[in-house]
Amino acid sequence: DAGVTQSPTHLIKTRGQQVTLRCSPKSGHDTVSWYQQALGQGPQFIFQYYEEEERQRGNFPDRFSGHQFPNYSSELNVNALLLGDSALYLCASSPDRTWGINSPLHFGNGTRLTVT
Amino acid sequence: GIQVEQSPPDLILQEGANSTLRCNFSDSVNNLQWFHQNPWGQLINLFYIPSGTKQNGRLSATTVATERYSLLYISSSQTTDSGVYFCAVKTSYDKVIFGPGTSLSVIP
Repeated sequence: DAGVTQSPTHLIKTRGQQVTLRCSPKSGHDTVSWYQQALGQGPQFIFQYYEEEERQRGNFPDRFSGHQFPNYSSELNVNALLLGDSALYLCASSPDRTWGINSPLHFGNGTRLTVT
Repeated sequence: GIQVEQSPPDLILQEGANSTLRCNFSDSVNNLQWFHQNPWGQLINLFYIPSGTKQNGRLSATTVATERYSLLYISSSQTTDSGVYFCAVKTSYDKVIFGPGTSLSVIP
């Protein structure tokens, strides 16, 4: 049973460019959320997708956008990259949007983005 | 918004020692989870514990939701326990908030 998979594992981009990160949820999970983890800090919630719609959003600018596909996989897009966007981007999945009693979050291994 | 604090921020232990990590939160939460982030960045789910006590081998956790804190106990620590421990809480508005983490180093 595959867990949460993310691609690519590492990425180097230049300021002003755009990037797309991908996530496949754990089998049986239909809700995907994305997090940004800067060096030395805890993960920060970006947004959550359920039924192909953004359901919740953290304090991130519109440069951060996402998409969820019918097979529950998801993409995170970041436009006009800034140096401060350099971070580990984590994807998590759960079997229901409310992170219920029997459904803890399961995380992928992340994509480490470096913006130069 | 809700504030999540963790203590201590850093901890160095001799192999075999025991430790207690604490997570305080400022408002009511629906759920709480403890994670271990290894040196390669992977977040491992340790406990899903909105209330009560759970044990898994050398690790155990207790959450007292009414008093807004959770504790993670590590007994007989091993070098593989090194890394950062995070608690994460979910509020009634469906947003997940992580604490700043406790960085643990276990030395032989």
